[in-house]
Amino acid sequence: AQTVTQSQPEMSVQEAETVTLSCTYDTSESDYYLFWYKQPPSRQMILVIRQEAYKQQNATENRFSVNFQKAAKSFSLKISDSQLGDAAMYFCAYRASYNTDKLIFGTGTRLQVFP
Amino acid sequence: NAGVMQNPRHLVRRRGQEARLRCSPMKGHSHVYWYRQLPEEGLKFMVYLQKENIIDESGMPKERFSAEFPKEGPSILRIQQVVRGDSAAYFCASSQLTDRVNTEAFFGQGTRLTVV
Repeated sequence: AQTVTQSQPEMSVQEAETVTLSCTYDTSESDYYLFWYKQPPSRQMILVIRQEAYKQQNATENRFSVNFQKAAKSFSLKISDSQLGDAAMYFCAYRASYNTDKLIFGTGTRLQVFP
Repeated sequence: NAGVMQNPRHLVRRRGQEARLRCSPMKGHSHVYWYRQLPEEGLKFMVYLQKENIIDESGMPKERFSAEFPKEGPSILRIQQVVRGDSAAYFCASSQLTDRVNTEAFFGQGTRLTVV
């Protein structure tokens, strides 16, 4: 069975600095998708970034980028130029490539941003 | 195009009552996923439905929980005889699954169930 592990329950960063959130996963599949979701206090799940396992190039969305290491089964999220609005819970998620959008989530990392 | 709509946002039930949570998927979406988030935890998959069919219920508790997605109307997650341990946020997501590369599940804002 696939599992997703986030080993950092909490992280903090100063405004304008860079922070990296860790995620590892376990799967026997070779083709799959990985995601980072942001959950602010409103509880809304917001997709931050996605990565297809068959793509070697790391995904980037503005200030958010990932370091995808397929052999190590690692998928970390880097937030550059952190802003106060980035404070939230961040969840790493795995989705198999076969016919489903079912997601397996990690336990989350709470990110605090200090001015 | 309205997003995934869940109601109610907050639901309080006494132990032993029934809870009904509703999810209207995005327009054009025929796939619905229910997740449960216990306090300070991540989302855990419960069930995946297509119109009138349960595709994957591997995350559903064996008793008291059921889900449906009728041909017309919203998807319903039903919890019978609620207990304190059912207190959680329940999220619904919907997707289209017509394009395997770009498909994405969109989430509702969740229903927070409190059992007193």
